[in-house]
Amino acid sequence: AQKVTQAQTEISVVEKEDVTLDCVYETRDTTYYLFWYEQPPSGELVFLIRRNSFDEQNEISGRYSWNFQKSTSSFNFTITASQVVDSAVYFCALRNSGAGSYQLTFGKGTKLSVIP
Amino acid sequence: KAGVTQTPRYLIKTRGQQVTLSCSPISGHRSVSWYQQTPGQGLQFLFEYFSETQRNKGNFPGRFSGRQFSNSRSEMNVSTLELGDSALYLCASSLAGSGGHYEQYFGPGTRLTVT
Repeated sequence: AQKVTQAQTEISVVEKEDVTLDCVYETRDTTYYLFWYEQPPSGELVFLIRRNSFDEQNEISGRYSWNFQKSTSSFNFTITASQVVDSAVYFCALRNSGAGSYQLTFGKGTKLSVIP
Repeated sequence: KAGVTQTPRYLIKTRGQQVTLSCSPISGHRSVSWYQQTPGQGLQFLFEYFSETQRNKGNFPGRFSGRQFSNSRSEMNVSTLELGDSALYLCASSLAGSGGHYEQYFGPGTRLTVT
């Protein structure tokens, strides 16, 4: 069975602070994919990043960065210099690479509030 | 390129009724997945269709069903609605194919309220 845990239910930060959203996953598969999605109040899930289990390079995209550590089964997401527009619910998700398997297992999400 | 579209966006139904939700994937995408989102259970996988065939199914009762048409558009149906079926239903599309490394892009969802 696979599982994704986002221990932080809600986080509040003041604008311009850095914030890290934690994600810990469990899977028996050796090949898998990890994702982060953002859900603004409108409800649509917006794709942010995909990471393959065999690629542990960290990634930076503007103010966003992701730290993938296989040894601790974690895939954390950092927003640098947060802005009010970053306020949303962020979901971490896991998908195994089995043939025909496009099922995403989501964490419960972390609600981020950025206060001006 | 148009994104994933879902219709209707909002729906109010009465217990015992049935409902059909529609999803049009991004052009060229052949895989469509459905998810249910509730405050208590979070995001849960319902099923996935690829080339008109159901490839994978989540742990939901048989009242939840779906299908995919030759143009990749998909519908999901919920029969004999219960209060607990009130949720945001999200559809996701993907290029799919072997390897599983394709991203899934989500639509805006259909918010179903059962009274």
